Amino acid sequence: KQEVTQIPAALSVPEGENLVLNCSFTDSAIYNLQWFRQDPGKGLTSLLLIQSSQREQTSGRLNASLDKSSGRSTLYIAASQPGDSATYLCAGHQGGKLIFGQGTELSVKP
Amino acid sequence: NAGVTQTPKFQVLKTGQSMTLQCAQDMNHEYMSWYRQDPGMGLRLIHYSVGAGITDQGEVPNGYNVSRSTTEDFPLRLLSAAPSQTSVYFCASSYSFNGPVSTDTQYFGPGTRLTVL
Repeated sequence: KQEVTQIPAALSVPEGENLVLNCSFTDSAIYNLQWFRQDPGKGLTSLLLIQSSQREQTSGRLNASLDKSSGRSTLYIAASQPGDSATYLCAGHQGGKLIFGQGTELSVKP
Repeated sequence: NAGVTQTPKFQVLKTGQSMTLQCAQDMNHEYMSWYRQDPGMGLRLIHYSVGAGITDQGEVPNGYNVSRSTTEDFPLRLLSAAPSQTSVYFCASSYSFNGPVSTDTQYFGPGTRLTVL
């Protein structure tokens, strides 16, 4: 059974710092991996999707990588801002389903 | 495009009552799904559909029914509400699944917060 784990569960950093969020999965049979952002009381907003044949995707200050052989994905956020404060979720696409991690709650202090 | 819309935003039910959570998308997406989000459990798939007339069960389907008569709509029915169904429910859609990056991105609705007393 596919399991997705996100470490750390919570992270607090000062504004301007570069940071890395980690996502690991137990079954390399995932097809795509998607990173989402969720603000308190809101829905999920897609940030990046990496196809299994790719190794990374970039959007603005965000860069996501995928290494299927090691079962890991990372989300790199450059020059963090207070507006980046949210919960970040990774999800593996497998067999018609999204398998979610528990999320990392990020707080960026001014 | 309105994207993925869900109604109602909030709902309180008594144990044993039934209700339907509505989900609609205007992006001509074939794939639609329902998730519930609970503290400590994360997001879990309830049911999904790969096109009109086709549905399948997810991880936690008990107590829920779905049907997909049109491409746009994918309602979730609670047959007899129980306190264990208190949760936040999200509907999601994508043009494809296990396809190219450009069409596989999952889009989520704003959610329905359900409380069962």
